[in-house]
Amino acid sequence: GAGVSQSPSNKVTEKGKDVELRCDPISGHTALYWYRQSLGQGLEFLIYFQGNSAPDKSGLPSDRFSAERTGGSVSTLTIQRTQQEDSAVYLCASSFPPGTGTSYEQYFGPGTRLTVT
Amino acid sequence: GQSLEQPSEVTAVEGAIVQINCTYQTSGFYGLSWYQQHDGGAPTFLSYNALDGLEETGRFSSFLSRSDSYGYLLLQELQMKDSASYFCAVPNQAGTALIFGKGTTLSVSS
Repeated sequence: GAGVSQSPSNKVTEKGKDVELRCDPISGHTALYWYRQSLGQGLEFLIYFQGNSAPDKSGLPSDRFSAERTGGSVSTLTIQRTQQEDSAVYLCASSFPPGTGTSYEQYFGPGTRLTVT
Repeated sequence: GQSLEQPSEVTAVEGAIVQINCTYQTSGFYGLSWYQQHDGGAPTFLSYNALDGLEETGRFSSFLSRSDSYGYLLLQELQMKDSASYFCAVPNQAGTALIFGKGTTLSVSS
């Protein structure tokens, strides 16, 4: 079946502009996550959606970042007034509810590489 | 808070065995995961240990000692295609999202 897809794969934007990044999770996965990966670094948790529950936004670095998930499927991460430090790869992942079964396995998309000039 | 420590780089030759260690500090503990990420690619799940001991999956094995807050990933019969970054991760305190280490870059040479 299809994996997690993200678009665009690359985005170059000017400082101060808004950007929208899209994630289409695996069908049937109720949990969706956004992470950020800066060059040579680990993955930094941003936000988590599970079904119709209120999202866990505890990882969002500032109020310029927001995300929504429509119909329990597709998610959009929006960054307003982009700054150069926002340059990173933004990864989306999906899974069954965390802890289901015996693992916390997450399935990642290919990411969107954001460059703010 | 939660944090994970792992070596930044490891080098080895084809056919060798390499061990990547991970120590963690957590508020509550669910288990330790390992992910592989090739350059420019998506992280992919390798293993998960919730209980102490060794879990074997083909050439890869993962170990956990909860009393020592320590685990490792063991890669045997190394191949060039194993050159990648390896991340250990634990669920956050809420048991929802994952907290990742900074990754270990493994370089396998011939």
